[in-house]
Amino acid sequence: DVKVTQSSRYLVKRTGEKVFLECVQDMDHENMFWYRQDPGLGLRLIYFSYDVKMKEKGDIPEGYSVSREKKERFSLILESASTNQTSMYLCASRLWGTDTQYFGPGTRLTVL
Amino acid sequence: EDKVVQSPLSLVVHEGDTVTLNCSYEVTNFRSLLWYKQEKKAPTFLFMLTSSGIEKKSGRLSSILDKKELFSILNITATQTGDSAVYLCAVEVIMASGTYKYIFGTGTRLKVLA
Repeated sequence: DVKVTQSSRYLVKRTGEKVFLECVQDMDHENMFWYRQDPGLGLRLIYFSYDVKMKEKGDIPEGYSVSREKKERFSLILESASTNQTSMYLCASRLWGTDTQYFGPGTRLTVL
Repeated sequence: EDKVVQSPLSLVVHEGDTVTLNCSYEVTNFRSLLWYKQEKKAPTFLFMLTSSGIEKKSGRLSSILDKKELFSILNITATQTGDSAVYLCAVEVIMASGTYKYIFGTGTRLKVLA
């Protein structure tokens, strides 16, 4: 069974803080994704990585950066958190060449 | 701009009813269409569709894709309270780099009353 874990289920941060969201998968998947999910907007892709040290911007990368130093770990970084980054963040992974993404449980981030 | 639109946004039915959820899309470089079920937390995979007219079925759930009219439907027959969830449609597109990404609809929230 594929397992995708995220470092926190709930996180509360202050405006201006640097925030790290971690995602780890244990199935040697090459591709990893970060989404945010907001009411009425669905899931929107922030960044994805198709292999170690590779990254590609998604649809809403502004205000975010990512790091993929090891295959199993994909980090989402908010350099200076803002209130409009309050959201549910979902990480997913996928084996290269297959079609199914496996999602983590999500991190609900609140920025005050 | 690529987009995926789901309808209705929300739906309330009684147990035993049949529901049809819709997903229409306008994308370049279509690869596949996927349906997910999301309860309290992570979306879980239901179906992947790549060919028109071929129904995928799993128990009381079924789905079909029409690549000419650019839509898919998800049917749930004899609904149960455990079917209450948000149903997400995603379209997989091929990017210039050769990788794939997913564009999600906003989801349909289904509530099944006992």
